[in-house]
Amino acid sequence: DAKTTQPNSMESNEEEPVHLPCNHSTISGTDYIHWYRQLPSQGPEYVIHGLTSNVNNRMASLAIAEDRKSSTLILHRATLRDAAVYYCILRDVAGSQGNLIFGKGTKLSVKP
Amino acid sequence: DAGVIQSPRHEVTEMGQEVTLRCKPISGHDYLFWYRQTMMRGLELLIYFNNNVPIDDSGMPEDRFSAKMPNASFSTLKIQPSEPRDSAVYFCASTRGRKIPHSPLHFGNGTRLTVT
Repeated sequence: DAKTTQPNSMESNEEEPVHLPCNHSTISGTDYIHWYRQLPSQGPEYVIHGLTSNVNNRMASLAIAEDRKSSTLILHRATLRDAAVYYCILRDVAGSQGNLIFGKGTKLSVKP
Repeated sequence: DAGVIQSPRHEVTEMGQEVTLRCKPISGHDYLFWYRQTMMRGLELLIYFNNNVPIDDSGMPEDRFSAKMPNASFSTLKIQPSEPRDSAVYFCASTRGRKIPHSPLHFGNGTRLTVT
């Protein structure tokens, strides 16, 4: 499985934008980039995913580099509730196995 | 939609005892996954099912662990005998396979297992 590299931790101030980076230099053409987050004492929850184009939804935006070797999850206005571990995961459509392989993720702290 | 339901939320047991964790996936989902999370190893995939059939159990640590899915709405993860190193949070997740890779995994809130 192609691997991702994320910073161990990041800090943000409340109501400011947050950019969470992810490197995936060995990504293949059939890998989708998925982001999940895990709030304290909860299971992971889906945030967003994309293949080549930038994506937006109600939770966040995903910016994908032109060469697809990196991506950035953007939280436009961080709230205290956004404090969580964020996972960047590559999901292979060719394998169609459905399972997700989680790395260590980035622990985001949000200061009031 | 009630989401993925796991029970119990917490389980404390003594070493050597049998432990059974339960999961009810979201109705209509045909993939079910069991994950384990510890501080040291993070989230690990143990086993997953498609249409009630185990597809990949390579993540199951050893023969003490077994998982079943007797029907589309119920799965169990059993540990017999349990050991202190099995202490972890166990998550169940489900998804609809037809739309892979677009279909997200939906996770339950987990079962926190403590083996003393």
